[in-house]
Amino acid sequence: AQSVAQPEDQVNVAEGNPLTVKCTYSVSGNPYLFWYVQYPNRGLQFLLKYITGDNLVKGSYGFEAEFNKSQTSFHLKKPSALVSDSALYFCAVRVPNAGNNRKLIWGLGTSLAVNP
Amino acid sequence: KAGVTQTPRYLIKTRGQQVTLSCSPISGHRSVSWYQQTPGQGLQFLFEYFSETQRNKGNFPGRFSGRQFSNSRSEMNVSTLELGDSALYLCASSPGQGPYNEQFFGPGTRLTVL
Repeated sequence: AQSVAQPEDQVNVAEGNPLTVKCTYSVSGNPYLFWYVQYPNRGLQFLLKYITGDNLVKGSYGFEAEFNKSQTSFHLKKPSALVSDSALYFCAVRVPNAGNNRKLIWGLGTSLAVNP
Repeated sequence: KAGVTQTPRYLIKTRGQQVTLSCSPISGHRSVSWYQQTPGQGLQFLFEYFSETQRNKGNFPGRFSGRQFSNSRSEMNVSTLELGDSALYLCASSPGQGPYNEQFFGPGTRLTVL
């Protein structure tokens, strides 16, 4: 079965330190990978995506993510965390050309807390 | 451009009732997807519409249904509500049907079933 895993329910990091939110996937074929963020009492917002090309993709608010095909991972990173980055982060995968099964597959989310 | 709008924002219903939620996508977006978000289950995909046709469906019972109109606005209906249907229902739109398109989410409708 195709799946996405976010192995950490919660990540705590001090402001100014680098942060990593992990995502691994298990899908057939070459996936399209996405990160979304949900701030408290606000809707989900798109952060970045990997479709093809350079394995390191840059997105909104200084976030970036690295696609690692051999490890089937797509970890979200930021060099210096801000308190305002505290939110719920979701990884999602879509398998292209999968016919009727091309829906987005979502991880369960990782709650990021950045401490001042 | 205005974002995705969802109405109503909050709903309180009792078991056995039915409910209709509405979603207006971003102007020009023809694809609309619906999700159920609960703390324990994350985002569960309900269905996806493109040009008034349901293109994909999640694993929800037949009590959950939806439709899309010619102006791309979409509605979802839940009949015979159960306590477990209490959740945040999110609508998302995207410009087309391509798998590489990101989705733009509305603020959600918070449904509480008593």
